[in-house]
Amino acid sequence: DSGVTQTPKHLITATGQRVTLRCSPRSGDLSVYWYQQSLDQGLQFLIQYYNGEERAKGNILERFSAQQFPDLHSELNLSSLELGDSALYFCASSVDTGPSYEQYFGPGTRLTVT
Amino acid sequence: AQSVTQPDIHITVSEGASLELRCNYSYGATPYLFWYVQSPGQGLQLLLKYFSGDTLVQGIKGFEAEFKRSQSSFNLRKPSVHWSDAAEYFCAVGHPHGNKLVFGAGTILRVKS
Repeated sequence: DSGVTQTPKHLITATGQRVTLRCSPRSGDLSVYWYQQSLDQGLQFLIQYYNGEERAKGNILERFSAQQFPDLHSELNLSSLELGDSALYFCASSVDTGPSYEQYFGPGTRLTVT
Repeated sequence: AQSVTQPDIHITVSEGASLELRCNYSYGATPYLFWYVQSPGQGLQLLLKYFSGDTLVQGIKGFEAEFKRSQSSFNLRKPSVHWSDAAEYFCAVGHPHGNKLVFGAGTILRVKS
């Protein structure tokens, strides 16, 4: 158990809908990262927040957004969902920002868009 | 741009045999290098990392990896594989002054008894 929790574990929704994925980082970790894992794209970095502020952006679609709240939990919002958004979404956290700080991964949320 | 290549999609080894998983990276300077393991239905767990210094690094679960700058490689090894090592393994690279990790496509390890 990494100490990172993600809810829900599974999510099934229809095209065009909007969903919110939630992540609670390990106690004391200030940095939260979101990754998408799909069969065709592999594991891709989406976005990072550090202590409430956006710190880095990767291949995140404009239909997707994220935020980190004062209690440091983070939410990833996915809107106007398409079939291709079906994937496993991971959250990771680290104590500080930068690759020298180990990222601890949560178990993921599996999103299925039908 | 940084990139990571894991040339083997699947590898099957016998229990007790040695293992080497290949990883090549493309990066202008010395990157930060990582190996992660993902068991079915689980998140990723860090096996080991290389930032600088000794090019042979030891990790958890008996794994080690060697950084070879001349070959832009960071191959993962284990002298004797156990059935519980069956999983997917990801090599990743990070910029020393950046924040994101770039992952390879992964190698699925199957262990036969």
